[in-house]
Amino acid sequence: SYVLTQPPSVSVAPGQTARITCGGNNIGSKSVHWYQQKPGQAPVLVVYDDSDRPSGIPERFSGSNSGNTATLTISRVEAGDEADYYCQVWDSSSDHPTVFGGGTKLTVL
Amino acid sequence: EVQLVESGGGLVKPGGSLRLSCAASGFTFSSYSMNWVRQAPGKGLEWVSSISSSSSYIYYADSVKGRFTISRDNAKNSLYLQMNSLRAEDTAVYYCARDSGGRRRGELFDYWGQGTLVTVSS
Repeated sequence: SYVLTQPPSVSVAPGQTARITCGGNNIGSKSVHWYQQKPGQAPVLVVYDDSDRPSGIPERFSGSNSGNTATLTISRVEAGDEADYYCQVWDSSSDHPTVFGGGTKLTVL
Repeated sequence: EVQLVESGGGLVKPGGSLRLSCAASGFTFSSYSMNWVRQAPGKGLEWVSSISSSSSYIYYADSVKGRFTISRDNAKNSLYLQMNSLRAEDTAVYYCARDSGGRRRGELFDYWGQGTLVTVSS
């Protein structure tokens, strides 16, 4: 089955740029979606189809995807961005195509 | 405004049963595929089950196949998950999540409920 690999944690100072990676075999050929989950809350979609943002999501959130790595970039990080972030893809070759990464805890220093 | 509200979680003994519900509002429920996604304490997200808009297509993760049953009542705008033969490893927060329109089942979840906690313990 398809595996997505995320770093367990990323730390960044307020106002700086955070980059959270999601690795997978030839992930560049798939559409990658990103969810933000704050403690005790449900996940929220922040980026879909590699780089599109749902309405209401700040432009500070952006995404890219190429080769074996997809990246969620959060510019001008704020304290309120502290959360777990999960990448997700749909693997058409699998009987169970919904695949989530293990999640990355973003800490704002 | 799209709203998904889960209920039915609680403490149950191993081998027991529980039925989760998800009440949907703010959109045409009968037009969307729906899903259950769970999250064990301190762990990541795990897709559990999907059901198409008309209930014609149903899918389960291997970990729950044969024990869980997903269903929906479009007249009541409700999604259900009947969980039987529960195990300790089923302990998790269970979220209902809507498939984004025009997508394949489980491809993209655009709205999530707040979740309901299921604890399986003796």
